[in-house]
Amino acid sequence: DAKTTQPPSMDCAEGRAANLPCNHSTISGNEYVYWYRQIHSQGPQYIIHGLKNNETNEMASLIITEDRKSSTLILPHATLRDTAVYYCIVRVAGGGFQKLVFGTGTRLLVSP
Amino acid sequence: NAGVTQTPKFRILKIGQSMTLQCTQDMNHNYMYWYRQDPGMGLKLIYYSVGAGITDKGEVPNGYNVSRSTTEDFPLRLELAAPSQTSVYFCASSYSRGLAGAKNIQYFGAGTRLSVL
Repeated sequence: DAKTTQPPSMDCAEGRAANLPCNHSTISGNEYVYWYRQIHSQGPQYIIHGLKNNETNEMASLIITEDRKSSTLILPHATLRDTAVYYCIVRVAGGGFQKLVFGTGTRLLVSP
Repeated sequence: NAGVTQTPKFRILKIGQSMTLQCTQDMNHNYMYWYRQDPGMGLKLIYYSVGAGITDKGEVPNGYNVSRSTTEDFPLRLELAAPSQTSVYFCASSYSRGLAGAKNIQYFGAGTRLSVL
């Protein structure tokens, strides 16, 4: 699996958009970008994933650059409950056994 | 739908004691996983299972054992507990039909916080 690089921490004001960057310059053509988050030591929670097109769901949007070497997770209107550690993970989708390689992620603090 | 359920939530063990961490899922997932998370660190894979009767080692299997007799249950056994096993343990499950491009999203339990003193 390709390695990812994320800033250790970010701040965001409540109601504003939170943009979390991730670098994955060694990503392979068949590897997807996945985002998970972990709220206050709870179990990680899946947010979104994508291959090369931008993706949006009820939780967030994922923007992947054209060369696929970096991506940005966007929380459009951050709330206090979005305070969490966000993990960017690159992995091959589907197939058989899949190991999730968690780094240290980005600690997002949403303030009033 | 309960999802992935782990018990107990907290446990304190003495050095040398043994215990079993329970994990059950009600989503009929074929894959199950055990991770540990040390303070300030990411998760590390201990063991995983691709179906009933099939288990394999992850990155940090030493000091642990698992079994998978049913689709729903995947207990983690600690033999001769050591202080280095103080950690938060997460169980997860996912569904894979073995097709390339499929989501294979992992769903996690709430964790078991274990202290070995």
